[in-house]
Amino acid sequence: GQQVMQIPQYQHVQEGEDFTTYCNSSTTLSNIQWYKQRPGGHPVFLIQLVKSGEVKKQKRLTFQFGEAKKNSSLHITATQTTDVGTYFCAGRVDYKLSFGAGTTVTVRA
Amino acid sequence: ETGVTQTPRHLVMGMTNKKSLKCEQHLGHNAMYWYKQSAKKPLELMFVYSLEERVENNSVPSRFSPECPNSSHLFLHLHTLQPEDSALYLCASSQDLSWGQPQHFGDGTRLSIL
Repeated sequence: GQQVMQIPQYQHVQEGEDFTTYCNSSTTLSNIQWYKQRPGGHPVFLIQLVKSGEVKKQKRLTFQFGEAKKNSSLHITATQTTDVGTYFCAGRVDYKLSFGAGTTVTVRA
Repeated sequence: ETGVTQTPRHLVMGMTNKKSLKCEQHLGHNAMYWYKQSAKKPLELMFVYSLEERVENNSVPSRFSPECPNSSHLFLHLHTLQPEDSALYLCASSQDLSWGQPQHFGDGTRLSIL
């Protein structure tokens, strides 16, 4: 079955630094969605990418969908304490979303 | 965000108990989902309902029994659970099953099996 892998599993970042989390699928995806789950909270939808090579930005977050539609990345610049949480990518095949295991981000002030 | 409400928030039960988890969405969505979230593992899709019909049963043990009486409510009936069933159970909804729809999650029920 389809698998979505995310790396790294954990990311410890100094406040103000940049980091990237990566998402890879074993199959071609219809689209990819990104979610953020704060500690003790629930996943919250951030963004969706549909087109091959698509790049979208939300303030300090940059999302990219690979040309082959099998991988995606999330890059955060100038990390802030509000960025703490777990970031999940979710790849869609048909109507089903397959979630990666997430990248859990902690920030050192 | 109160679009998807789950009760109870926490549940402790013995392996021989029977309990139910409830999910209600106030978003007018037609699709609802149950996920299991265990530590260090990906979200596991358990069940999918569209317009009150089950469209997915992802090889879930029969000790989990879903029910969708209408498009706003979803239940997960639990009986004779195992310790490995301890996890956060998340309910989600989306407008429909079309591929462009994001999912809206509830806060989850933290389930502990003694």
